[in-house]
Amino acid sequence: RKEVEQDPGPFNVPEGATVAFNCTYSNSASQSFFWYRQDCRKEPKLLMSVYSSGNEDGRFTAQLNRASQYISLLIRDSKLSDSATYLCVVILNSGGYQKVTFGTGTKLQVIP
Amino acid sequence: SQTIHQWPATLVQPVGSPLSLECTVEGTSNPNLYWYRQAAGRGLQLLFYSVGIGQISSEVPQNLSASRPQDRQFILSSKKLLLSDSGFYLCAWSHHPGQGAGNTIYFGEGSWLTVV
Repeated sequence: RKEVEQDPGPFNVPEGATVAFNCTYSNSASQSFFWYRQDCRKEPKLLMSVYSSGNEDGRFTAQLNRASQYISLLIRDSKLSDSATYLCVVILNSGGYQKVTFGTGTKLQVIP
Repeated sequence: SQTIHQWPATLVQPVGSPLSLECTVEGTSNPNLYWYRQAAGRGLQLLFYSVGIGQISSEVPQNLSASRPQDRQFILSSKKLLLSDSGFYLCAWSHHPGQGAGNTIYFGEGSWLTVV
């Protein structure tokens, strides 16, 4: 089983739609969780952190379920500019080193 | 504020030639440093990480090497490139866990390497 798994997509959705991505992780000791966004041929950029209590940033909502070991990202009212690959990131601190594990990403294409 | 610089942005190298990619971080001290590679259509693969000067750990066997000659400088090298070394190379940094400054990882703009 992969340490971090995501559905690669692509998810093709019309503008204005709501879309949700899920990500599962295998190490229950993992401590920090993030969603990153990667545009074509660019570096990944932090989208938002993910907390058990859930957090919202505008049209984006992230949620962590520790019991089931999955992370979700919800995008409401999709915009064309949301088209990108969304990477799930899980971090485990171990002996002064942060083991950072990326999912392979879920590709989103928002269609006019 | 902290920034990360990585260069060169793109390069085309013949098989068997050497490689040197450089990365520097500004605005922080004692960061954890990372080199990742992303092959076309693939996920991010961790190549090397460093928790301090001269401390390098390799995640995968390969013909690449890394060095950290200064606290905020991380270099990726190869003596002889292979065709399979082509890809998008990303340098990244994060705060050391002991700094209590959070776990976010920040990426440089990446280097596109094509081995021909």
